Amino acid sequence: KAGVTQTPRYLIKTRGQQVTLSCSPISGHRSVSWYQQTPGQGLQFLFEYFSETQRNKGNFPGRFSGRQFSNSRSEMNVSTLELGDSALYLCASSWDRVYEQYFGPGTRLTVT
Amino acid sequence: KNEVEQSPQNLTAQEGEFITINCSYSVGISALHWLQQHPGGGIVSLFMLSSGKKKHGRLIATINIQEKHSSLHITASHPRDSAVYICAVGGRGGSNYKLTFGKGTLLTVNP
Repeated sequence: KAGVTQTPRYLIKTRGQQVTLSCSPISGHRSVSWYQQTPGQGLQFLFEYFSETQRNKGNFPGRFSGRQFSNSRSEMNVSTLELGDSALYLCASSWDRVYEQYFGPGTRLTVT
Repeated sequence: KNEVEQSPQNLTAQEGEFITINCSYSVGISALHWLQQHPGGGIVSLFMLSSGKKKHGRLIATINIQEKHSSLHITASHPRDSAVYICAVGGRGGSNYKLTFGKGTLLTVNP
């Protein structure tokens, strides 16, 4: 069974631009969660999608958004990029909430 | 105070030593996860548990719900165990369910 895939793996953007990251979950998994990892804050929850619906959202500004498609693939978008958005963005898929989560390799975003 | 506290932050051991990493949390939870992250690498889920004890090879995870505490043990440590170990808790279900993470424990096992 293929694991969670994320594209692109690395991305360099400039302040003010927007970016879209993609996550393909393990086949059969309907829950996709997104996380931000930085050296200062560690891992933080961004949002979770289940069957194309956002079920929960973390404490991030509205510049961070996401969506999920009918095949469970998910995208997250960050608009008006700031330097502080530089981070590793991870997605994880699972059957549902209280199940083991399988993480993708992450997308390393650098904002200059 | 963070909802999830891990100790120690850094741990250096010699190959073969028994290692314990601790995690304390302050909220009611549905489940606790132990994760492993190698430098520059992705995250691997080691355990998910809501009570008692689980064992995979040389790794053992325990949780005490009443004391809001969990431990990850590594027996006969090996240099390939060197990684960051992260404790994460999932809240009590419902629409607010999400994972909250500890800051991680950096483990270095020397040969």
